[in-house]
Amino acid sequence: KAGVTQTPRYLIKTRGQQVTLSCSPISGHRSVSWYQQTPGQGLQFLFEYFSETQRNKGNFPGRFSGRQFSNSRSEMNVSTLELGDSALYLCASSLAASGGGDTQYFGPGTRLTVL
Amino acid sequence: GENVEQHPSTLSVQEGDSAVIKCTYSDSASNYFPWYKQELGKGPQLIIDIRSNVGEKKDQRIAVTLNKTAKHFSLHITETQPEDSAVYFCAASIPGNQFYFGTGTSLTVIP
Repeated sequence: KAGVTQTPRYLIKTRGQQVTLSCSPISGHRSVSWYQQTPGQGLQFLFEYFSETQRNKGNFPGRFSGRQFSNSRSEMNVSTLELGDSALYLCASSLAASGGGDTQYFGPGTRLTVL
Repeated sequence: GENVEQHPSTLSVQEGDSAVIKCTYSDSASNYFPWYKQELGKGPQLIIDIRSNVGEKKDQRIAVTLNKTAKHFSLHITETQPEDSAVYFCAASIPGNQFYFGTGTSLTVIP
């Protein structure tokens, strides 16, 4: 069974630009969660989508948004990029919505560098 | 919301020794506690998990214990090997809510 895939793996952008990251969950998984990982802050929860609906949202500004498609694939978008947005963005999928005791499986991440 | 604290932040052990990483959580409603291992350049990989109705779980050299009364859970790695060197994260999950992660422990196993 294929794991969680994320594209692109690496991205370099400049301040003020916007970026879209993509995540394909494990086949059959309907929940996708996004995390930002930085050396000083660890894993910070961005949002979770389940059956195309945003279920939970972390404490990030409105510049961070996401969506989920009917095939469970998810995208996250960051507008007006800032230097502090440089991070590893991780996507995790699970069978059911989080909080139901289902395991989350992570993708390899997208390394975003903002210059 | 839930608050997960993880200690220590760094840990060095000699090959063959045991390593213990501890996490505490604040919300007694948390009922699922996974542990992840993250190697350089990769995403976190689940290594073991435990649910609130179980006190201990073991998988070969890895074990996790849960103390619901004290609200803490620990990861135990025995007979450590150099390939165990990585960053380890604990997490807690509340029904209907997101996962909350600890800040990570960088484990170095010295050959």
